[in-house]
Amino acid sequence: DTGVSQNPRHKITKRGQNVTFRCDPISEHNRLYWYRQTLGQGPEFLTYFQNEAQLEKSRLLSDRFSAERPKGSFSTLEIQRTEQGDSAMYLCASSPDSNSNQPQHFGDGTRLSIL
Amino acid sequence: GENVEQHPSTLSVQEGDSAVIKCTYSDSASNYFPWYKQELGKGPQLIIDIRSNVGEKKDQRIAVTLNKTAKHFSLHITETQPEDSAVYFCAARMDSSYKLIFGSGTRLLVRP
Repeated sequence: DTGVSQNPRHKITKRGQNVTFRCDPISEHNRLYWYRQTLGQGPEFLTYFQNEAQLEKSRLLSDRFSAERPKGSFSTLEIQRTEQGDSAMYLCASSPDSNSNQPQHFGDGTRLSIL
Repeated sequence: GENVEQHPSTLSVQEGDSAVIKCTYSDSASNYFPWYKQELGKGPQLIIDIRSNVGEKKDQRIAVTLNKTAKHFSLHITETQPEDSAVYFCAARMDSSYKLIFGSGTRLLVRP
């Protein structure tokens, strides 16, 4: 399978705990995106990387959220001191680095449930 | 900032009928408009996209139209099949940003 891979698929944790998600983009896709999707809504942009550089961050990305892409390949999204409102599906997407209108291909997401 | 509105929120059609989903966007600088299909427990899957220099694009039973003046774009599915049942999202992107702004989705049910 050469699609975008996300792990874990599901994460259940208690409020106040830290969680980390991983995204492996499609091979040779230099651009990587994180989105958050709550029930009944469309995905909302969180942040975007070109190679290892984080180029854009949404106001949704509070200080408790941090994303990295240290070697320009896989990326991690960490949420510290989780809150009930963090419960959502966290989606990762990737696209080639040619021009801005290349399609973004999504993974199947990590569903986070905060108890 | 950009805002994308999508209608209807739910759509039920008989198998074989056509389905139309409409979206409007607010920022005239938007120039790329993809459509995604999302099945339960899965991520959004790109089904078709259109760029602002094109008015219409077709791929088998799926077509998308774009009216830049009115800032409208629509998804048309002909000869619907039960496997078309899913949630469909429109999105828009400006040239100055790589982020997609999504509509709120349309749940399509195709009745056999």
